[in-house]
Amino acid sequence: AQKVTQAQTEISVVEKEDVTLDCVYETRDTTYYLFWYKQPPSGELVFLIRRNSFDEQNEISGRYSWNFQKSTSSFNFTITASQVVDSAVYFCALGSSNTGKLIFGQGTTLQVKP
Amino acid sequence: EAGVAQSPRYKIIEKRQSVAFWCNPISGHATLYWYQQILGQGPKLLIQFQNNGVVDDSQLPKDRFSAERLKGVDSTLKIQPAKLEDSAVYLCASSTGTGRAMNTGELFFGEGSRLTVL
Repeated sequence: AQKVTQAQTEISVVEKEDVTLDCVYETRDTTYYLFWYKQPPSGELVFLIRRNSFDEQNEISGRYSWNFQKSTSSFNFTITASQVVDSAVYFCALGSSNTGKLIFGQGTTLQVKP
Repeated sequence: EAGVAQSPRYKIIEKRQSVAFWCNPISGHATLYWYQQILGQGPKLLIQFQNNGVVDDSQLPKDRFSAERLKGVDSTLKIQPAKLEDSAVYLCASSTGTGRAMNTGELFFGEGSRLTVL
């Protein structure tokens, strides 16, 4: 069975702090894809990143970085020098090329205070 | 490029009434999804279309929910009769992926339709 766990329900930080959002997944597939989406108050989920299971290279995009570790089945997301505009709900998701299903985690609500 | 359009944005109905939501995906996107997002939870897939065919509707409560995608473009999701537990945001998404690549690429989401059932 496939599963995505985001153990942190809510995180509150002060602007300019670094914050890491955790994501742990379960799958028996050898080929799979991991995603992060951001859901601002407007409600529209916005794609942030996709990684496939064969690419464990960490990625950095501006203030965002992602750490993919197959050994621990984790795909964590770090925001450096957080800003108020980063306040949103962040979802980790797992896609299987075998079943064609995309499973979302429960989401982590990030509040960045000025 | 226009995004995924959904309407209405908000709907309040009483239980046992019916409601319909409309989605217009991004032009050229073959795959369309309807997700249900209950407050405090992640989106849950209700139904997935590739063009006008259903790929996955295993989690769609078929006794009350129905969906169609005529001509492989717009889609409508209907609930009849509604229950209190149907209160949620209904998200429509589309993607260019087809076949096994359907769920391996980026999904483009609309802003959702928020349903409140009283």
